Amino acid sequence: EAQVTQNPRYLITVTGKKLTVTCSQNMNHEYMSWYRQDPGLGLRQIYYSMNVEVTDKGDVPEGYKVSRKEKRNFPLILESPSPNQTSLYFCASSVQASSYNEQFFGPGTRLTVL
Amino acid sequence: AQSVAQPEDQVNVAEGNPLTVKCTYSVSGNPYLFWYVQYPNRGLQFLLKYITGDNLVKGSYGFEAEFNKSQTSFHLKKPSALVSDSALYFCAVRDFQAGTALIFGKGTTLSVSS
Repeated sequence: EAQVTQNPRYLITVTGKKLTVTCSQNMNHEYMSWYRQDPGLGLRQIYYSMNVEVTDKGDVPEGYKVSRKEKRNFPLILESPSPNQTSLYFCASSVQASSYNEQFFGPGTRLTVL
Repeated sequence: AQSVAQPEDQVNVAEGNPLTVKCTYSVSGNPYLFWYVQYPNRGLQFLLKYITGDNLVKGSYGFEAEFNKSQTSFHLKKPSALVSDSALYFCAVRDFQAGTALIFGKGTTLSVSS
């Protein structure tokens, strides 16, 4: 089944404890992206990747890191999480970065930072 | 700057009645427009998109959307609502000239009563 998977689905952590949220897609997509969803704000892009070893900042990149060493994986790293990073996170992928390609979303990771 | 507005936080409709979820956009170039749906505790699912051509776009689950360039709108419609259509709906836009970011509206909760 073609899909985007994320792990973990739920995570409660404490301020300053480094964490990684994994994202993997099995559709051979070139483009991958991370979003955070907050009530009343919709989804905002954190980082994106056009292809392997190519990443760039989105609208809200502060406090996050990413890497794209393999085409299928695009982990999101929080080096020192803070409470304002409590949010619902979505990974997404599309065939290419072309503007007309729809994106496929993972199931989401709900992160709480205490 | 690109932006998307969904003027209604919530839309209530009775089962069997037509529904409309409104979306207006602002881009500097040609827009690529998308609708996504989010069911509780699930990721976003692609419904339909407008790239070019016919202003009336048909998508999944009987939904359609009408692109109106003069009013910069892309309203989502369905002739006969189902209780199972109750979900959170997001409109999103990409500006071909502005890069790869998908800009989302804040979302509209659709509630269909039986």
